[in-house]
Amino acid sequence: DAGITQSPRHKVTETGTPVTLRCHQTENHRYMYWYRQDPGHGLRLIHYSYGVKDTDKGEVSDGYSVSRSKTEDFLLTLESATSSQTSVYFCAISDPLSGTEQYFGPGTRLTVT
Amino acid sequence: AQSVTQLDSHVSVSEGTPVLLRCNYSSSYSPSLFWYVQHPNKGLQLLLKYTSAATLVKGINGFEAEFKKSETSFHLTKPSAHMSDAAEYFCVVPRDDKIIFGKGTRLHILP
Repeated sequence: DAGITQSPRHKVTETGTPVTLRCHQTENHRYMYWYRQDPGHGLRLIHYSYGVKDTDKGEVSDGYSVSRSKTEDFLLTLESATSSQTSVYFCAISDPLSGTEQYFGPGTRLTVT
Repeated sequence: AQSVTQLDSHVSVSEGTPVLLRCNYSSSYSPSLFWYVQHPNKGLQLLLKYTSAATLVKGINGFEAEFKKSETSFHLTKPSAHMSDAAEYFCVVPRDDKIIFGKGTRLHILP
């Protein structure tokens, strides 16, 4: 399995609070991605990074920001959590030099009350 | 632009019988294609990938898929279903720096 960890694995937070999710990889892959998965919507891309300090928006980026200060870490921040952001969040990595497939982390289940 | 269509949202088979999960792709050229599996409350795992080297691709857990350009299909098969195969399966195609997911097929295994 690709060396990808996500923390925390579960979190319950209140509406209006900031939340940061962390994705850590040991594969030295250049690309990193954040998705959310919701029933009826499948996986939707939030943000992705194509290198240190290089990020771009996905299809559902409103209310989320990201940062990548080193190759191995990609942080997803919910500036002010809302109930609509209750979801399961997955991080993924890929290395364009070896292929276009992505490898996924175990997920973080976030509940906003 | 590249896209994929999974033709069935749910498939039920009996244990020990063959599995067929259907995927059609849309692309102006022969794309890379992948199948991922997601077991309940787990992350997504790459099952197999097609990258134009061979049209019949073997993956993990006894699954395989055949790329058929004439039919624009990349169906996933397994000769004999096992209870542990119960999961959701996604057909995926790369597009630019991202990947595009099909809507998923949930596979149910009947005892």
